[in-house]
Amino acid sequence: EPEVTQTPSHQVTQMGQEVILRCVPISNHLYFYWYRQILGQKVEFLVSFYNNEISEKSEIFDDQFSVERPDGSNFTLKIRSTKLEDSAMYFCASCGTGVDTQYFGPGTRLTVL
Amino acid sequence: AQSVTQLGSHVSVSEGALVLLRCNYSSSVPPYLFWYVQYPNQGLQLLLKYTTGATLVKGINGFEAEFKKSETSFHLTKPSAHMSDAAEYFCAVIQGGGAAVNKLTFGGGTRVLVKP
Repeated sequence: EPEVTQTPSHQVTQMGQEVILRCVPISNHLYFYWYRQILGQKVEFLVSFYNNEISEKSEIFDDQFSVERPDGSNFTLKIRSTKLEDSAMYFCASCGTGVDTQYFGPGTRLTVL
Repeated sequence: AQSVTQLGSHVSVSEGALVLLRCNYSSSVPPYLFWYVQYPNQGLQLLLKYTTGATLVKGINGFEAEFKKSETSFHLTKPSAHMSDAAEYFCAVIQGGGAAVNKLTFGGGTRVLVKP
């Protein structure tokens, strides 16, 4: 069964460093998302991406964040200068249509020291 | 703006007992509703969803949920809990109304503990 994959599973970085989180969505899906879950809190929407552009972003998704689909298969989230409060589990999701089921990857745990 | 409220951040049930997880939503247009489950150290897995049609929806692992528009609820039930049901459960909503691309808005989650 097709699945969404994410790498790395755990990333530790120093405050101020850049990180890139990688996702491989399900191959025939067209809509891509990033969510995050700070420990003990609810899952929050960050950004949605369709037709090679951002379709919606949350207040959390400021200028430090960017997304890219560089090669038609990978979908990346970049944080330019990480802060302590960026420590969270980051989930990638994809779906075939905008209102269909979103399939989630296993997540990347980001720890900022 | 839509929102989701899950009553009870933790629920403890005995093996074999009924599991009932409550979810209420607010949405300005008819929503699409989802329940996801998260096992320890894993991602989110879809349990079931409601989009249109029959208001009682059945999902995986014996779970079902009923959409009640008048009560703006989408409670999740399972008649008989199993030890493997221990996990965190999230109710989520997508705003319907024909929008092309929609984000999921999640409730706070309910952690289920199953006692032998």
